[in-house]
Amino acid sequence: DTAVSQTPKYLVTQMGNDKSIKCEQNLGHDTMYWYKQDSKKFLKIMFSYNNKELIINETVPNRFSPKSPDKAHLNLHINSLELGDSAVYFCASSQDPQGAGETQYFGPGTRLLVL
Amino acid sequence: GEDVEQSLFLSVREGDSSVINCTYTDSSSTYLYWYKQEPGAGLQLLTYIFSNMDMKQDQRLTVLLNKKDKHLSLRIADTQTGDSAIYFCAESINDYKLSFGAGTTVTVRA
Repeated sequence: DTAVSQTPKYLVTQMGNDKSIKCEQNLGHDTMYWYKQDSKKFLKIMFSYNNKELIINETVPNRFSPKSPDKAHLNLHINSLELGDSAVYFCASSQDPQGAGETQYFGPGTRLLVL
Repeated sequence: GEDVEQSLFLSVREGDSSVINCTYTDSSSTYLYWYKQEPGAGLQLLTYIFSNMDMKQDQRLTVLLNKKDKHLSLRIADTQTGDSAIYFCAESINDYKLSFGAGTTVTVRA
């Protein structure tokens, strides 16, 4: 029944490792997003995909590579993890582009800790 | 975010009204939003307002928009303990992007 789901919920890993976070939405939405929330709760968009095509890449290091195998999934792969990557990562989706006033539905977040 | 500013903390007594303020910079923003984040959870849309409106009321929530001053506020009437959360103001930058404030942590005391 979960509208936007993310796995894993918690991820603890060593610096230099490669990890992936998965996101799935069962709302039939066309647009999906990845956000990063830092320790001060500051929330910033990283990527936006519409119909599997990349729309926004907000100066995110190329160690971060989103992959959208289909409209319902937007996964985030991170290479060579760094300490500064520790944060909560939120996936979100909306039916149409945000400018149409569409609500973004957020997943529960993935708490990443890099040691 | 650098485009949206909010005060970081608000403490309010149960039963009183809470007012959370936000200023934004992009005058072309079409929609402005309030999201709520409870501890350990994702963001939940509370309400939004179209830029040609001055006010929107939804049960205990009242949103006021002063477009001239680029000021948005959220009033929660009869604040309850379940209203304790972080509240984020956000503006639509373009069709695919929201810019969020840093969030206001609201603590409701008995």
